[in-house]
Amino acid sequence: AQKVTQAQTEISVVEKEDVTLDCVYETRDTTYYLFWYKQPPSGELVFLIRRNSFDEQNEISGRYSWNFQKSTSSFNFTITASQVVDSAVYFCAFHSNSGYALNFGKGTSLLVTP
Amino acid sequence: SAVISQKPSRDICQRGTSLTIQCQVDSQVTMMFWYRQQPGQSLTLIATANQGSEATYESGFVIDKFPISRPNLTFSTLTVSNMSPEDSSIYLCSVEAPGQGFTFGSGTRLTVV
Repeated sequence: AQKVTQAQTEISVVEKEDVTLDCVYETRDTTYYLFWYKQPPSGELVFLIRRNSFDEQNEISGRYSWNFQKSTSSFNFTITASQVVDSAVYFCAFHSNSGYALNFGKGTSLLVTP
Repeated sequence: SAVISQKPSRDICQRGTSLTIQCQVDSQVTMMFWYRQQPGQSLTLIATANQGSEATYESGFVIDKFPISRPNLTFSTLTVSNMSPEDSSIYLCSVEAPGQGFTFGSGTRLTVV
């Protein structure tokens, strides 16, 4: 069975600091997808990225970057120069062809203070 | 990507009553997913709803408590029956758009008093 682990329950940083959110997954599937979602206090889930198992290139989108390493089964998310608006719960999720729904990690609550 | 309209966005209900949550998708999708997010917790899959067949429930969730309808390829409802304070959660529907990943409704924040 697939498993997603986000070991960091809560992280608190001061504005402008860089912060990395960790995500480790377990699977026997060779084809799968990894996701990151942001959930601000309002509750909606905001899609951030989807990465398939055959694409290990790192991705950068503005202040956000993602590091996918199959060798360590990790898909970490870095926010550079954090801002107060980045305060939210961030979920890593897994999907493969052997299951239909997303499998979520427990989430990391990020608090960015001025 | 697919756009989901979910309602109500929030409700406060008396224990013992039922609430029906609706999700409307702007395109036809095969499967719709219903999740529960208890306070401070992650998302847990309740069931998968296919059009024309009974929903498939995950362990710990039963049809009598969470009946689901899926009358067509763009619409589904989830009912939370005989509610108790332990049912206070955010309920979300989700669909997979081929090649695009998963989209979520804006959620229904339910408080049972």
